[in-house]
Amino acid sequence: SAVISQKPSRDICQRGTSLTIQCQVDSQVTMMFWYRQQPGQSLTLIATANQGSEATYESGFVIDKFPISRPNLTFSTLTVSNMSPEDSSIYLCSVGGARYEQYFGPGTRLTVT
Amino acid sequence: KQEVTQIPAALSVPEGENLVLNCSFTDSAIYNLQWFRQDPGKGLTSLLLIQSSQREQTSGRLNASLDKSSGRSTLYIAASQPGDSATYLCAVRPGDDKIIFGKGTRLHILP
Repeated sequence: SAVISQKPSRDICQRGTSLTIQCQVDSQVTMMFWYRQQPGQSLTLIATANQGSEATYESGFVIDKFPISRPNLTFSTLTVSNMSPEDSSIYLCSVGGARYEQYFGPGTRLTVT
Repeated sequence: KQEVTQIPAALSVPEGENLVLNCSFTDSAIYNLQWFRQDPGKGLTSLLLIQSSQREQTSGRLNASLDKSSGRSTLYIAASQPGDSATYLCAVRPGDDKIIFGKGTRLHILP
């Protein structure tokens, strides 16, 4: 199994600012995934990040709002830009493992005031 | 389009009871199905993974079954404990790299 860590674990940010979330995996992985979980909702995929190429964004998510970096096979960042209260969510990093089992980080709980 | 439904949305049972959580999916062409547990404000913990060729998987007090042809999976929890209180999420992998989640069942075990 993969062990995933995220920083920060939680943050309270002001409207209009940006927050960068870090995701670190204990093994090399080809693809990393970023999810958003709005209050009371299930998980929604934001984008898939491959090392050495641009991230692939899902419908409804754009690079200007959620820029992603993937500098190597164990690390990725997600930035939530120009935040509004609607961005208050849990943001989760995920990777796939053997047999296509999915693993998730502990999440970053973001509150925008 | 694959859709995943979990019933019930919420469940409260007394400690010690056995219980079943249900998951259904609309397209039987899946690669695998995974059950997760999520504690409030936290990330997801993988509980059980069932490949499309398998019928069930067991881990401790948990047993997950899969009936791919009918588009159903169940998660059976034996001898429930207050520590089992959490939201349980079912997710299917249609065959590409993206998994599709249900909305979850919020479980409360009453001491």
